[in-house]
Amino acid sequence: NAGVTQTPKFRVLKTGQSMTLLCAQDMNHEYMYWYRQDPGMGLRLIHYSVGEGTTAKGEVPDGYNVSRLKKQNFLLGLESAAPSQTSVYFCASTYGPSSYEQYFGPGTRLTVT
Amino acid sequence: AQSVTQPDIHITVSEGASLELRCNYSYGATPYLFWYVQSPGQGLQLLLKYFSGDTLVQGIKGFEAEFKRSQSSFNLRKPSVHWSDAAEYFCAVGARSGNTPLVFGKGTRLSVIA
Repeated sequence: NAGVTQTPKFRVLKTGQSMTLLCAQDMNHEYMYWYRQDPGMGLRLIHYSVGEGTTAKGEVPDGYNVSRLKKQNFLLGLESAAPSQTSVYFCASTYGPSSYEQYFGPGTRLTVT
Repeated sequence: AQSVTQPDIHITVSEGASLELRCNYSYGATPYLFWYVQSPGQGLQLLLKYFSGDTLVQGIKGFEAEFKRSQSSFNLRKPSVHWSDAAEYFCAVGARSGNTPLVFGKGTRLSVIA
């Protein structure tokens, strides 16, 4: 049981490049989340999903897109990376809405130059 | 919508001293309340949670938190801090209905000195 995994762990992009971050969970969780963490800003929710085939915007969705084609995977895409997207990205999953514990992945450190 | 405030950005305590991290929330009713811990380079891990009932909840690693409705607070405590407790701590509040995601505070970084 691997829990929540994130691929890749580190990435450096040039401004304007695109990339996809992959989050996978093996706990049969319905809900999945993408956060970014920046110094002094805490965790900010980018997008989330309440089930396979669904997505919703969080607090800071601009510049990102997501897809949840399979229940176990939640993809975060950056179509044209900007330096402001330099951050640590965390994925989390949970069985249901906010009464349930969220399980977090180890994070992806992204630098955009 | 719910919100949460952690007034202290950084706290330093001596090993063996007691610890209290503050958390205040805003919500129209009694929310779900959580404390998570993040060790350096890691994701977040749940320490404890409050849903209902006893207002003093026990968590892992010797932590406890007390829900005080009158003060809209959910402060985290530990009687004797260990060097391994150095980490960032996040309070989170969840709504009791709907699919609204948890709202996290900005975190409190704990440093432990000898």
